[in-house]
Amino acid sequence: EVQLVQSGAEVKKPGATVKISCKVSGYTFTDYYLHWVQQAPGKGLEWMGLVDPEDAETIYAEKFQGRVTITADTSTDSAYMELGSLRSEDTALYYCARGPRAGIVALPADYWGQGTLVTVSS
Amino acid sequence: DIVMTQSPATLSVSPGERATLSCRASQSVYSNLAWYQQKPGQAPRLLIYDASTRATGIPARFSGSGSGTEFTLTISSLQSEDFAVYYCHQFDNWPLTFGGGTRVEIK
Repeated sequence: EVQLVQSGAEVKKPGATVKISCKVSGYTFTDYYLHWVQQAPGKGLEWMGLVDPEDAETIYAEKFQGRVTITADTSTDSAYMELGSLRSEDTALYYCARGPRAGIVALPADYWGQGTLVTVSS
Repeated sequence: DIVMTQSPATLSVSPGERATLSCRASQSVYSNLAWYQQKPGQAPRLLIYDASTRATGIPARFSGSGSGTEFTLTISSLQSEDFAVYYCHQFDNWPLTFGGGTRVEIK
């Protein structure tokens, strides 16, 4: 059974950094991309970026470029999303999601983690 | 970035009726379009990919159509469990983008 299990909720102060983990099981970690998606309270979905666990290559959305770092650890089948210089607008649910691929082309994410709530408040 | 525009924002439908949701891309995404369903407190669930292919386990009452810039998700006969928010999603170009969502509510 494919599972993506994320770390627990976080409360951070403005300007701080948060690091969320996503541990996968039930499939070969390096065979799929791993996406991160942000969802602010009551809002839609926003793609942040992805990592290719096979070679650690990353692609980021320009909106988050410079503040986000996505990594993968093949020894533990885990991915991480670190978001820095936090501000109140970063208060959101963050999802990791498995991304099938056709060669280097990213296909829609098919399995999602449960989400991690990050609250940014002074 | 490719902007995905969904309409209507909210759709009120009676159980058993048909629901038709629209999604427009700001430029052609060919057939590289997916639909997700999201219920309160849950992660999104993949319904359709490649514009018209149902994902594993998705009931046949869900169908997708379109290509280029205009896409439609049709739910042929709404069941109680189908009341949710639906998002379209293009995976043709970086950055990947989602539409703003259509909420399907009980009429």
